[in-house]
Amino acid sequence: GQNIDQPTEMTATEGAIVQINCTYQTSGFNGLFWYQQHAGEAPTFLSYNVLDGLEEKGRFSSFLSRSKGYSYLLLKELQMKDSASYLCAVSDSNYQLIWGAGTKLIIKP
Amino acid sequence: DTAVSQTPKYLVTQMGNDKSIKCEQNLGHDTMYWYKQDSKKFLKIMFSYNNKELIINETVPNRFSPKSPDKAHLNLHINSLELGDSAVYFCASSPGVEFGELFFGEGSRLTVL
Repeated sequence: GQNIDQPTEMTATEGAIVQINCTYQTSGFNGLFWYQQHAGEAPTFLSYNVLDGLEEKGRFSSFLSRSKGYSYLLLKELQMKDSASYLCAVSDSNYQLIWGAGTKLIIKP
Repeated sequence: DTAVSQTPKYLVTQMGNDKSIKCEQNLGHDTMYWYKQDSKKFLKIMFSYNNKELIINETVPNRFSPKSPDKAHLNLHINSLELGDSAVYFCASSPGVEFGELFFGEGSRLTVL
């Protein structure tokens, strides 16, 4: 079966760095996506990785290792507004998105 | 100018009733989706349409019927509502089936009493 695993919840301090991991087992691979979802709101797209390596976008970076079935989202200089759920999703061989259950990130002052 | 808009944002209804949720996108995208997000926050695909054609139809009860009159609209009709249908329903769109960057509507929170 297809499976995406990510931690349920993480806590970090304002101004610090946090890494949210995602491991996956899917039928084929056409890219990995990270989305951010604030409480009571819709998910919004953060990043896309299809080749191995690091993609940087401001304070957020996303890393992919296809051979290990592994990705992480790195958030630097954490701000209170970064408190949200972070969803990992993989596009399989049919271009269907397989979603993880999300990681709830709590930022403390 | 909302890119993906869905109405209504909130529905509260009794078991056994029928309800509809409408979705429209003005992004010129070819592909539209309906997702269900339950209380555990897990996002589950229900249906996907590409240029008005159904391409994904996950295991959902027959009580759920999508309809796409044109590629900018994807509506969801639910018959004989049950308590377990209570959830947030998200409409989304993407430029095509191979694009994983989805644009989501604000969600429609359905509460069945």
